[in-house]
Amino acid sequence: DGGITQSPKYLFRKEGQNVTLSCEQNLNHDAMYWYRQDPGQGLRLIYYSQIVNDFQKGDIAEGYSVSREKKESFPLTVTSAQKNPTAFYLCASSPGQERPQHFGDGTRLSIL
Amino acid sequence: AQSVTQPDIHITVSEGASLELRCNYSYGATPYLFWYVQSPGQGLQLLLKYFSGDTLVQGIKGFEAEFKRSQSSFNLRKPSVHWSDAAEYFCAVGSRSGYSTLTFGKGTMLLVSP
Repeated sequence: DGGITQSPKYLFRKEGQNVTLSCEQNLNHDAMYWYRQDPGQGLRLIYYSQIVNDFQKGDIAEGYSVSREKKESFPLTVTSAQKNPTAFYLCASSPGQERPQHFGDGTRLSIL
Repeated sequence: AQSVTQPDIHITVSEGASLELRCNYSYGATPYLFWYVQSPGQGLQLLLKYFSGDTLVQGIKGFEAEFKRSQSSFNLRKPSVHWSDAAEYFCAVGSRSGYSTLTFGKGTMLLVSP
């Protein structure tokens, strides 16, 4: 079945540590997105990518980095510069304009 | 800049009663509009979308939504709520210019009472 796979489901970060969240899709979608979700805040866009080797900052990119070396993969790194990383992170993909986004099941990141 | 307001943080509805979740958007032209649903600890599932044409759109699970340009609204409705509908609902707006990213509302949590 086609879909978006996020791993791990739960992740713990120590102080000063970078962690990477994985997002893989087999839907052959061009665009991929990373969102952060906090209780009562809805979803906020971190980064997005329309094509391989290209990505743009969203509304809350500070303290995060991404790469898009393959169409299927869009990993998100939460760096030590992100002082409040505890949140639920959602990855999404879309085939393009006028098409809705499809979401993975998320990764919950917590601080040890 | 586009924005979405969902005025109700929580709504409680009795099972079998009708439901309406409100969504107001701010955008300079006619946007793309979406409703998504999220169960606890899960990702978002698309309920329905409006791109153009008929302003009353039908979605999955018996949901519908009506686009009202004059009121900048896209309210979600269901005639009879089931206990399994308890979840968080998000309205989102997308731009028609350039490549579309979505702006989400803060969500409405639906509780269903017996």
